[in-house]
Amino acid sequence: GNSVTQMEGPVTLSEEAFLTINCTYTATGYPSLFWYVQYPGEGLQLLLKATKADDKGSNKGFEATYRKETTSFHLEKGSVQVSDSAVYFCALSDRRMNTGFQKLVFGTGTRLLVSP
Amino acid sequence: DAGVIQSPRHEVTEMGQEVTLRCKPISGHDYLFWYRQTMMRGLELLIYFNNNVPIDDSGMPEDRFSAKMPNASFSTLKIQPSEPRDSAVYFCASSSSTEIKYNEQFFGPGTRLTVL
Repeated sequence: GNSVTQMEGPVTLSEEAFLTINCTYTATGYPSLFWYVQYPGEGLQLLLKATKADDKGSNKGFEATYRKETTSFHLEKGSVQVSDSAVYFCALSDRRMNTGFQKLVFGTGTRLLVSP
Repeated sequence: DAGVIQSPRHEVTEMGQEVTLRCKPISGHDYLFWYRQTMMRGLELLIYFNNNVPIDDSGMPEDRFSAKMPNASFSTLKIQPSEPRDSAVYFCASSSSTEIKYNEQFFGPGTRLTVL
């Protein structure tokens, strides 16, 4: 079945460091890919998405490119801030052709800790 | 604009007791989801509704769990009787038909359930 694999955390960085969080997926067909972020004590929020191969999703300085050849959707940010400390979830859609709903399959999450 | 509202935020109960979690989705959203988050299993979709009708409850762990959506602005998730292994954070999320194809689901802050 469909699945998402993320690098284990925590990822610990100093402010202004470069961030990469790896995500690879297994899926049939052509899923859409997502990054959600969960700040402490809050629910998940959509950070960015890409719906087809070679698309780049971006938001708040974060970027991820849908790589079909490597089945990857790695999250990157050039300069992290303390406020980026959160848990990041990679997810894919389980496309169902006959309905509008695409069930999400989440990775296990990667905790990012950014120190001043 | 209020987001998804969940209550209570924290619940501590004893094994064997009935637990009811509540959710108010964003006004105008016609999809509602219940998720469970644990360290061991990550984020799992338990059940989702469309226009107040349960569509897929295949993620509900067992008969002790039940969910209802009596109207468009309220849903409950009930566990009866509760067991220590039910301890988790339970999230409610909602979305509208126009957003669901790209899977932008809006999450509530969650209910942290502890069963002693």
